Amino acid sequence: GENVEQHPSTLSVQEGDSAVIKCTYSDSASNYFPWYKQELGKGPQLIIDIRSNVGEKKDQRIAVTLNKTAKHFSLHITETQPEDSAVYFCAARLRDQGGKLIFGQGTELSVKP
Amino acid sequence: DGGITQSPKYLFRKEGQNVTLSCEQNLNHDAMYWYRQDPGQGLRLIYYSQIVNDFQKGDIAEGYSVSREKKESFPLTVTSAQKNPTAFYLCASSPEPGHYSGANVLTFGAGSRLTVL
Repeated sequence: GENVEQHPSTLSVQEGDSAVIKCTYSDSASNYFPWYKQELGKGPQLIIDIRSNVGEKKDQRIAVTLNKTAKHFSLHITETQPEDSAVYFCAARLRDQGGKLIFGQGTELSVKP
Repeated sequence: DGGITQSPKYLFRKEGQNVTLSCEQNLNHDAMYWYRQDPGQGLRLIYYSQIVNDFQKGDIAEGYSVSREKKESFPLTVTSAQKNPTAFYLCASSPEPGHYSGANVLTFGAGSRLTVL
């Protein structure tokens, strides 16, 4: 089955710096890759997603890149702010698998003022 | 406002007791899911339901049971057979069964934290 590996598990950056979180997936049939942000005590919220027919997607300070050949995708946050501090999860979805998402292990991002 | 409501937020249970976690959504979503979150392990799928009166086991269904009698509701029962039930439980929903679309977005509830004493 699909397996998603996420790195690093923790990441600390200074306010204003960039942060990059990387994920790899095992099944080349995966066709949808969302990223979720989870603040303390809350459920995860979708922040950006990308489909397998696109190589890059950007939304203000957040961007996601996908390399289908290497089977990895990355989240890029520029000009980080303290409110970006949270746990971030990547996920991958197999085509025709009833909407099941396989999640990475999570990255705890800390942005220091 | 539309969303997903999970209750209770915190729950304590003695060993050997069954407990039921509530999940209600008013988003008119067809599909609903239960995930378990443990530190360092991401989110693992327990059960999911694509339509009323139908549900499928996820990756870690042992010791859990669900029902889907109404579109809005998808309660999860943690039974005494679950060996290590202490965890954070997340309910989610999506607009339609995934295999009918290229992708669908999960909306999560705020979670329920279960502690076994």
